[in-house]
Amino acid sequence: DTQMTQSPSTLSASVGDRVTITCRASQNINGWLAWYQQKPGNAPKLLIYKASTLESGVPSRFSGSGFGTEFTLTISNLQPDDVATFYCQQYDNYPLTFGGGTKVEIK
Amino acid sequence: QLQLQESGPGLVKPSETLSLTCTVSGGSISSGPDWWAWIRQSPGKGLEWIATIYYTGNTFYNPSLKSRVIISADTSKNQFFLILTSVTAADTAVYYCARRLGYGFAFSVWGQGTMVTVSS
Repeated sequence: DTQMTQSPSTLSASVGDRVTITCRASQNINGWLAWYQQKPGNAPKLLIYKASTLESGVPSRFSGSGFGTEFTLTISNLQPDDVATFYCQQYDNYPLTFGGGTKVEIK
Repeated sequence: QLQLQESGPGLVKPSETLSLTCTVSGGSISSGPDWWAWIRQSPGKGLEWIATIYYTGNTFYNPSLKSRVIISADTSKNQFFLILTSVTAADTAVYYCARRLGYGFAFSVWGQGTMVTVSS
């Protein structure tokens, strides 16, 4: 199985800050990496797929980058509405696997 | 607009079988290239992929659950299903159904999720 490791597990930042979340895969996943945002009580929402492609309707302050085994999600201008837990997921190979999540809070 | 809705019992006894249904509206489960999946999330925990069924009928399972899981579909009802046998408290989770647009795409549409508790 491909293990997905996210860091940090929690981060606290101020409105307007630029925040970065890292996701590492235990093997090369050929860029097949997605990022999801999950707010309490809701299903995950797709933000980015194929490592850097923004899903339709997602604000442009979200961006993704990376290749091979290391990937990042960046929120360029943190907003109060961005308070959530963010997950990465690889879909290069079965079983599909998710990272453990990063909880983003506002200071 | 494609929508998914999970349904099933909220409470299941240990050792019994859990059956869940995902009803799809706004699109056909038999038209390509969609792939349909079940994913679960234990309370306070992360996400775990359970199984996927392709529009062709091909199925894929998480090895950690494969011996207890069946995913299937009824195209006439535009529904797909999850059966999980011999449940234990560790199977207590919110169960989501979701859709991928096929190879190269991630889970772009999710149901709202249904909470299943395993308890006597």
